[in-house]
Amino acid sequence: DTGVSQDPRHKITKRGQNVTFRCDPISEHNRLYWYRQTLGQGPEFLTYFQNEAQLEKSRLLSDRFSAERPKGSFSTLEIQRTEQGDSAMYLCASSSDRGQNHEQYFGPGTRLTVT
Amino acid sequence: AQSVAQPEDQVNVAEGNPLTVKCTYSVSGNPYLFWYVQYPNRGLQFLLKYITGDNLVKGSYGFEAEFNKSQTSFHLKKPSALVSDSALYFCAVRDRNYGQNFVFGPGTRLSVLP
Repeated sequence: DTGVSQDPRHKITKRGQNVTFRCDPISEHNRLYWYRQTLGQGPEFLTYFQNEAQLEKSRLLSDRFSAERPKGSFSTLEIQRTEQGDSAMYLCASSSDRGQNHEQYFGPGTRLTVT
Repeated sequence: AQSVAQPEDQVNVAEGNPLTVKCTYSVSGNPYLFWYVQYPNRGLQFLLKYITGDNLVKGSYGFEAEFNKSQTSFHLKKPSALVSDSALYFCAVRDRNYGQNFVFGPGTRLSVLP
C-alpha cells in the first residue's frame, strides 16, 4: 500500500480556465475527503464521500467546484472558471469506517496557482 | 458550530526539554480529537487521536496528548524534544453527531533548538 496519491502535484493555470485534480485513496478506505489549505492556515473541509456517494459539502464549495467518485475508488475535483482566489493547496484524505479507525490519511496535495 | 484554537503561532523549545503545543476546541456534542504534523513539502501525518476511554493518549514518535473535557483542551506533549520534531502541528476536531466535517486549527510551528 503506497498511501494516498494525488495528481498533479503542481498546476499553474490562467484565470478562467478549468482544472481537474485526481486523488487515489488507500485501497481499502471507503471514505474520501477533499480539503483546501492556504498559506498559514489549517486545512478547510470541502467535501466528503462514503464509497461513491457525496454525503457532505461545505458552504465553501461554490458552484464552480464539483467532485466525483464514480466507482467508489479514485476521486476527481474540478474547478471551473478558475479565479485567483482559488490558488491554494488542495488536499485529499481517506479513512476507513471500521471500528475506531477515525483518523484520516492525507496525500501530498496539489498546489494550484491561478495567474 | 465546531471550532479549534491553537493559541500559539510559534513554540520554541531547546532540545531535550519537554514540549507542549496547546489546543482548545468547541463542539456542541462529544468530540473526536486528532493531532497531525506537517513537515516541509510533505503531507499531513497522523500523530494521535482521542476517541473514547483513557484521557491520556499516546501516539507516534513519543508524543502524547491529554483530553480535558472541563477545559475543552487537547494539548500535545513530549517529555524530551528532538530537533527533528521541528514542524507544523495541527489539532483537529470532529463532533461525533455532526457528520464527517473535520475542523482543523490554524497550526503551531514548533522549533526545537539544538
